[in-house]
Amino acid sequence: ETGVTQTPRHLVMGMTNKKSLKCEQHLGHNAMYWYKQSAKKPLELMFVYSLEERVENNSVPSRFSPECPNSSHLFLHLHTLQPEDSALYLCASSQELAGLSYEQYFGPGTRLTVT
Amino acid sequence: AQSVTQPDIHITVSEGASLELRCNYSYGATPYLFWYVQSPGQGLQLLLKYFSGDTLVQGIKGFEAEFKRSQSSFNLRKPSVHWSDAAEYFCAVGGSGNTGKLIFGQGTTLQVKP
Repeated sequence: ETGVTQTPRHLVMGMTNKKSLKCEQHLGHNAMYWYKQSAKKPLELMFVYSLEERVENNSVPSRFSPECPNSSHLFLHLHTLQPEDSALYLCASSQELAGLSYEQYFGPGTRLTVT
Repeated sequence: AQSVTQPDIHITVSEGASLELRCNYSYGATPYLFWYVQSPGQGLQLLLKYFSGDTLVQGIKGFEAEFKRSQSSFNLRKPSVHWSDAAEYFCAVGGSGNTGKLIFGQGTTLQVKP
């Protein structure tokens, strides 16, 4: 595998379910990100991790819970979601958190539908 | 406030025609500027970036962009569009003081007519 991978690619869940999204980067990067992409809205940054430490939580509701067990893996745990949480969830990684090496590389996303 | 504006939501061009996608930004420090492309059902792919130096930057797939500080713009261009360029294009701005945070525009959807 190369680049940034995300599983599953599609997920349908009820409002009472608990599920997790997984992201893995094969680039040796130190920073990882979760974004939400809704129709007709700009990408929304949700969480930023650097060397497994969370450095940003962009006012995201607690029903979204990130986890970064190591610099290659990032999870987004979901529970009691709302229909408005239906979106494409994108994971990204970058070599560094800032400076000249922080262009971000994106995974293909997980299309989440909450019923 | 930091922001990115892509004034054109949809653009349609004929195959072989030239293309320019506009991007204007508002950023308090030295900006780092990016263009990404997203094909349907896919993630974002980096087309090109500007950090410093030559204000005309070349990217992949024949794209280029020009940074104009006086106009706070970073427009994307391609001299001859191919049908496979149909996609959504995002401009983004970040900076050395912004701890990994990229501000994205709303995107421009490009349609290519045969």
